[in-house]
Amino acid sequence: QAGLTQPPSVSKGLRQTATLTCTGNDNNIGNQGAVWLQQHQGHPPKALSYRNNNRPSGISERFSASRSGSTASLTITGLQPEDEADYYCSAWDTILTVWVFGGGTKLTVL
Amino acid sequence: EVQLVESGGGSVQPGGSLRLSCAASGFTLSAYWMSWVRQAPGKGLEWVATIKEGGSDKYYVDSVKGRFTISTDNAKNLMSLQINSLRAEDTAVYYCARSTMDVWGQGTTVTVSS
Repeated sequence: QAGLTQPPSVSKGLRQTATLTCTGNDNNIGNQGAVWLQQHQGHPPKALSYRNNNRPSGISERFSASRSGSTASLTITGLQPEDEADYYCSAWDTILTVWVFGGGTKLTVL
Repeated sequence: EVQLVESGGGSVQPGGSLRLSCAASGFTLSAYWMSWVRQAPGKGLEWVATIKEGGSDKYYVDSVKGRFTISTDNAKNLMSLQINSLRAEDTAVYYCARSTMDVWGQGTTVTVSS
């Protein structure tokens, strides 16, 4: 069950903008869109965006999701120290009937 | 408040069994697809199983097929994962999640070791 492709790490400066990418195919991201999750060390994942780029209540507007074809993106503006975390993408694969996850991107805020 | 709370984790020997539970509050579990996702120590997230609303269809990652069973108890608003024939590689924190992945529990730890 192949997963989604994410860069292992991204580093950006304080108050800068980071764009994280997640590449799948026509059967998962291209069809269903992606979910974006943030996970701090020792804590459960927290949804930042789900189903057609909806942002859950309580999530800062600094986080925005988009999709182009089979690639999903998460843009974080005005980076803060608390944004340093692991970010995962996930999508339902309509052909394989499985959830696929990316390997995660570790975001470092310099 | 919408919330998921897992329980039932523990330490077991290889070949053993556990039953994990996920109690939902603030929403009707049977109206949603629900999933289990696990995370091995120091590793990323791995999808384990999903049950469609109403329990009509169930899906599993290949590595747990025939050993894990996902189910729901609508009267108790509860989801369960029966895990049998445990292996060392099943050691992980197990999370339940509403299957838009918008709501997650805090996780329960399963350790398989002799």
